[in-house]
Amino acid sequence: DTAVSQTPKYLVTQMGNDKSIKCEQNLGHDTMYWYKQDSKKFLKIMFSYNNKELIINETVPNRFSPKSPDKAHLNLHINSLELGDSAVYFCASSQVVGAGGLGFGTQYFGPGTRLLVL
Amino acid sequence: RKEVEQDPGPFNVPEGATVAFNCTYSNSASQSFFWYRQDCRKEPKLLMSVYSSGNEDGRFTAQLNRASQYISLLIRDSKLSDSATYLCVVTLYGGATNKLIFGTGTLLAVQP
Repeated sequence: DTAVSQTPKYLVTQMGNDKSIKCEQNLGHDTMYWYKQDSKKFLKIMFSYNNKELIINETVPNRFSPKSPDKAHLNLHINSLELGDSAVYFCASSQVVGAGGLGFGTQYFGPGTRLLVL
Repeated sequence: RKEVEQDPGPFNVPEGATVAFNCTYSNSASQSFFWYRQDCRKEPKLLMSVYSSGNEDGRFTAQLNRASQYISLLIRDSKLSDSATYLCVVTLYGGATNKLIFGTGTLLAVQP
């Protein structure tokens, strides 16, 4: 009965490869996110989807492409992996709150995917 | 200047001590504030929201100072299990730009 799950937990791959990380939430939330946490532990939002629509797209190389087949899933595909992509990638979900549905709501994070690019 | 800044620590304190962390934010239009906790090699989890009037949850007290643009977290009677990284989070809403910004975290190590 995991709330936010990600697969795989660990990913070791060579530079130049293409890889995907999957995320699923069973909390009934309408918004999902991808975050990157680098070696200095800095956690930065990459993308956010609300009801399958992209609402936040931070300055991220276009080698990163999120895809939300439905409200409960948000996958991240990375093309042509580079050494600098090595990090922990967290998926999260929340219920939008507040007037106009702008509030981010409490972020519920998945366990993270540790990506190492060699 | 970073949008959200925290002292990275580590704060090494004995069990039972009181410890306080500060977090400063650069945008005066920031609207919501939170403290998250992240254990080593785990995901962040919400610790508490921070309200303008200040709020308390057991041994934890959070305060907001809008004039000086900082939030604080006070932990009383520290336990070994409080050892973790504490992340300050700020949200900002404005037209097409909605931001959720995490600080780099303050590491707390409670010693027996």
